[in-house]
Amino acid sequence: GAVVSQHPSWVICKSGTSVKIECRSLDFQATTMFWYRQFPKQSLMLMATSNEGSKATYEQGVEKDKFLINHASLTLSTLTVTSAHPEDSSFYICSASRGYYGYTFGSGTRLTVV
Amino acid sequence: GENVEQHPSTLSVQEGDSAVIKCTYSDSASNYFPWYKQELGKRPQLIIDIRSNVGEKKDQRIAVTLNKTAKHFSLHITETQPEDSAVYFCAASPANDMRFGAGTRLTVKP
Repeated sequence: GAVVSQHPSWVICKSGTSVKIECRSLDFQATTMFWYRQFPKQSLMLMATSNEGSKATYEQGVEKDKFLINHASLTLSTLTVTSAHPEDSSFYICSASRGYYGYTFGSGTRLTVV
Repeated sequence: GENVEQHPSTLSVQEGDSAVIKCTYSDSASNYFPWYKQELGKRPQLIIDIRSNVGEKKDQRIAVTLNKTAKHFSLHITETQPEDSAVYFCAASPANDMRFGAGTRLTVKP
């Protein structure tokens, strides 16, 4: 149990285009989802926290107009990287809160912007 | 917000030896402390966790200790094996938030 499905697992896009990443909790309801970015050989850096039905809370330094987060239902949160640039190339991973039972991670998305 | 520091950044041990990774946190409201193992390009995998009402927890070769007063917690791996080689992250979680340490690259030499 407690599975979070993240898609796509990898994507290559051209500079200036937008990319949408989806995370779905398959067998539980995730009121809160977290989006992390991880550069090579670095830690997971929290980008934003999304709560179902409300606006996401972004960490300092993360552009909310560039990284659009939508958490429209208790099982789906999306991250859209708008007008992507090569410096946005990274590993993006979501994590769903299961309250007392901790957190479940998606499988991650490797984004390459060319 | 919560700030987690992790040491060392790299650790090399001989197979069969023990490995210890230490973390400190800043937010006294943090009450959940998971440890993750991450292999390249994959999701973090929970290996053990501890809550603030417990001082120590053990699961076979892995143990975690927590000192709430000093705000630090440690991961102990005994009888290390080559397959333990990976990057390990500690994390601290106050309510509905989780921050990671910078990670420790553990290498177990056969």
